[in-house]
Amino acid sequence: GESVGLHLPTLSVQEGDNSIINCAYSNSASDYFIWYKQESGKGPQFIIDIRSNMDKRQGQRVTVLLNKTVKHLSLQIAATQPGDSAVYFCADGYSSASKIIFGSGTRLSIRP
Amino acid sequence: GAVVSQHPSWVICKSGTSVKIECRSLDFQATTMFWYRQFPKQSLMLMATSNEGSKATYEQGVEKDKFLINHASLTLSTLTVTSAHPEDSSFYICSASSPVGLAGAVDTQYFGPGTRLTVL
Repeated sequence: GESVGLHLPTLSVQEGDNSIINCAYSNSASDYFIWYKQESGKGPQFIIDIRSNMDKRQGQRVTVLLNKTVKHLSLQIAATQPGDSAVYFCADGYSSASKIIFGSGTRLSIRP
Repeated sequence: GAVVSQHPSWVICKSGTSVKIECRSLDFQATTMFWYRQFPKQSLMLMATSNEGSKATYEQGVEKDKFLINHASLTLSTLTVTSAHPEDSSFYICSASSPVGLAGAVDTQYFGPGTRLTVL
């Protein structure tokens, strides 16, 4: 079946350092991926997305990399700040069907 | 833009009662809305997809007679948990997909803030 998984359940990063959160997917036909940030007690917040015809996309302080060969994507957060503390989910979005399958999540904690 | 609200934000009810949760798209029309359930320290699990004016499509393992979904308008979907039991206690989150014209991909989902349900 379809699955999107994360390599690490928790990640601790020094404030100011860069964070890298990894994600693997199993469906080679997947063509759309999204990263979400979820703070405690809140709904997911869209961070950035990428389609399979791209291998890199940049936003404000965030970069998503997609490696279709090994079915892996990553979220890079530059200069991590305390406000970045949250659980990050990668999600597999089926184009036009709008159905999203969430991965298990990685909790990012920031050390002062 | 693309704001989704949920009401109530939290609710406590007695076992055996029914609870209705509303999901509204405040500044756009959502042809499709989704309902998710999230248990503590777990990921979001899609429960059902609802399209305005038609019956919801439920994911495998989700009881459609227990989780009633109504999508009566392009801005409102409701989830009713019938005969709630303590194991239904969870964080329920809705999302709405944006139509063409809004910023972001056409199939971007915008999520509500969630509703915490506690069944005693």
